[in-house]
Amino acid sequence: ILNVEQSPQSLHVQEGDSTNFTCSFPSSNFYALHWYRWETAKSPEALFVMTLNGDEKKKGQISATLNTKEGYSYLYIKGSQPEDSATYLCAFYMAYSGAGSYQLTFGKGTKLSVIP
Amino acid sequence: SQTIHQWPATLVQPVGSPLSLECTVEGTSNPNLYWYRQAAGRGLQLLFYSVGIGQISSEVPQNLSASRPQDRQFILSSKKLLLSDSGFYLCAWSVAGVTYNSPLHFGNGTRLTVT
Repeated sequence: ILNVEQSPQSLHVQEGDSTNFTCSFPSSNFYALHWYRWETAKSPEALFVMTLNGDEKKKGQISATLNTKEGYSYLYIKGSQPEDSATYLCAFYMAYSGAGSYQLTFGKGTKLSVIP
Repeated sequence: SQTIHQWPATLVQPVGSPLSLECTVEGTSNPNLYWYRQAAGRGLQLLFYSVGIGQISSEVPQNLSASRPQDRQFILSSKKLLLSDSGFYLCAWSVAGVTYNSPLHFGNGTRLTVT
């Protein structure tokens, strides 16, 4: 059983604050780490797919880093806006023994609320 | 552009009744298709995935089944629902072939309540 842990579970910040949260995953047999944003009443939307140790990705004011050796990824939001309020999910893709595994293991998410 | 349609949006069914949730994808060929479930207080759990017509893999034992009768159609079924089947069901697709670096594209989900 794979454990993908996300912290904190929830977060309330003021508009304009910068924030970050963590995704921890097993450091062996790593293939990829995905980040998704899930807004209320919408479907999860892919933010980043990261595959290399040391990867840094950026999309607008959101960025992510990856450390595969120690098994963690950080998601940063600079200058949070109310529209950034969502649940942020990370998902870990590990190579399984045997062929054909297509499973991303998801964390429970970090729920971000940005207060205007 | 690619789109994914999932229906119904909400469903309330009694225990022991059958279930059929449908998902279709447009604008892409031979996608990988997935059914995920989010139960209360838990992360998204993969239920089934498919790499082609008639090819279904199950990740967890359960009383649910999946079928892929057409290239871009994925159906989740049950003959007799259990209370524990309540949850939020999401259909997703990704491009065919190598999967680990391909993001998932999700439908809007179905909220299933079994009473």
